Amino acid sequence: SQTIHQWPATLVQPVGSPLSLECTVEGTSNPNLYWYRQAAGRGLQLLFYSVGIGQISSEVPQNLSASRPQDRQFILSSKKLLLSDSGFYLCAWSKKTPKETQYFGPGTRLLVL
Amino acid sequence: AQSVTQLDSHVSVSEGTPVLLRCNYSSSYSPSLFWYVQHPNKGLQLLLKYTSAATLVKGINGFEAEFKKSETSFHLTKPSAHMSDAAEYFCVVNIAAGNKLTFGGGTRVLVKP
Repeated sequence: SQTIHQWPATLVQPVGSPLSLECTVEGTSNPNLYWYRQAAGRGLQLLFYSVGIGQISSEVPQNLSASRPQDRQFILSSKKLLLSDSGFYLCAWSKKTPKETQYFGPGTRLLVL
Repeated sequence: AQSVTQLDSHVSVSEGTPVLLRCNYSSSYSPSLFWYVQHPNKGLQLLLKYTSAATLVKGINGFEAEFKKSETSFHLTKPSAHMSDAAEYFCVVNIAAGNKLTFGGGTRVLVKP
């Protein structure tokens, strides 16, 4: 069966510091991968998605970036965090068939102070 | 363009009574529709999925949803609420070949003993 992992689970970072969040998927190959952010009291916002190694599409202009160095690894980064980057970050994967189910990881809670 | 409207931001029910969460969607194409549940500080868990087969979809934990094309609705129901059903529920639509999801605003369910 497939599993999706995210770490760290919780992170507290000062404004202006760098960020690296990691997501890995097990039990499948060549998945689509997604990064979402859920701000407090708001819905989910798609940040990035990837259909393959090195292929990243950005949905929202911001100071975040994403990379996919391996087939089942998806990384969310920032060089300098802003207060507004605080939120709950969720990674998800899906098969490539259109309209497929997305399966979500446990999330990373980021607090920028 | 596609959109999803969850008609109630909060629903309060007593344990053992029925739960109804309302969702309307707008889509120019035949959609896939999903309901996800999110417990506090957790990722999203898939409850059920509609993909143009049976219009009544049964999911996990006793939930079911009915797709009504004429009403563009996909309401979620459960005959008897349990305390563990207290969570936030998201109605989601997917029509795109790129598997981009559109989320409703969420409905927070409170279950009273």
